[in-house]
Amino acid sequence: SQTIHQWPATLVQPVGSPLSLECTVEGTSNPNLYWYRQAAGRGLQLLFYSVGIGQISSEVPQNLSASRPQDRQFILSSKKLLLSDSGFYLCAWSVGSSNQPQHFGDGTRLSIL
Amino acid sequence: GNSVTQMEGPVTLSEEAFLTINCTYTATGYPSLFWYVQYPGEGLQLLLKATKADDKGSNKGFEATYRKETTSFHLEKGSVQVSDSAVYFCALSAPGGYQKVTFGTGTKLQVIP
Repeated sequence: SQTIHQWPATLVQPVGSPLSLECTVEGTSNPNLYWYRQAAGRGLQLLFYSVGIGQISSEVPQNLSASRPQDRQFILSSKKLLLSDSGFYLCAWSVGSSNQPQHFGDGTRLSIL
Repeated sequence: GNSVTQMEGPVTLSEEAFLTINCTYTATGYPSLFWYVQYPGEGLQLLLKATKADDKGSNKGFEATYRKETTSFHLEKGSVQVSDSAVYFCALSAPGGYQKVTFGTGTKLQVIP
């Protein structure tokens, strides 16, 4: 069966520090991968998606970046965090056509001080 | 573009009450429709889905019917339990492209004993 792992589960970082969040998927090949941010009490905002190794598309301008160095690995990064980067970050994967759902990791709670 | 509109929350119900969470959508073509559930501090889990008009998705006592004539996908449950307390997201996935999912803003449900 397929599984998705995100880490760390929680992270507290000072303003201006770098960031690296990692997501890996097991049990499937060539998945579509997604990074979302969920602000407190709000819906989901799609940040990045990837349809293959090295292929990254950004949905919103920001100081975050994403990379996909391996087929089932998706990394969210920042060189300098802002206070506004606080939130709950979710990684997701999907395969197949649009009638197939996305599957989410357990998320990373990021707090910027 | 595509959009999903959900009823504002929070919704507070007594245990064993009937639940309806309204969801309407705007999309081109024939999207697939989903309900996801998010328990506190966790990622989203797929609750049910429907991929064509008049399909009924069901899971764990929850049901939703794909109504193309009213562009709706309302979530219902006949008798809610305290354990159903969570945030519920309606979503659509339009055919073509990279399987982008459009989410509603979520509806928080609180069930009291």
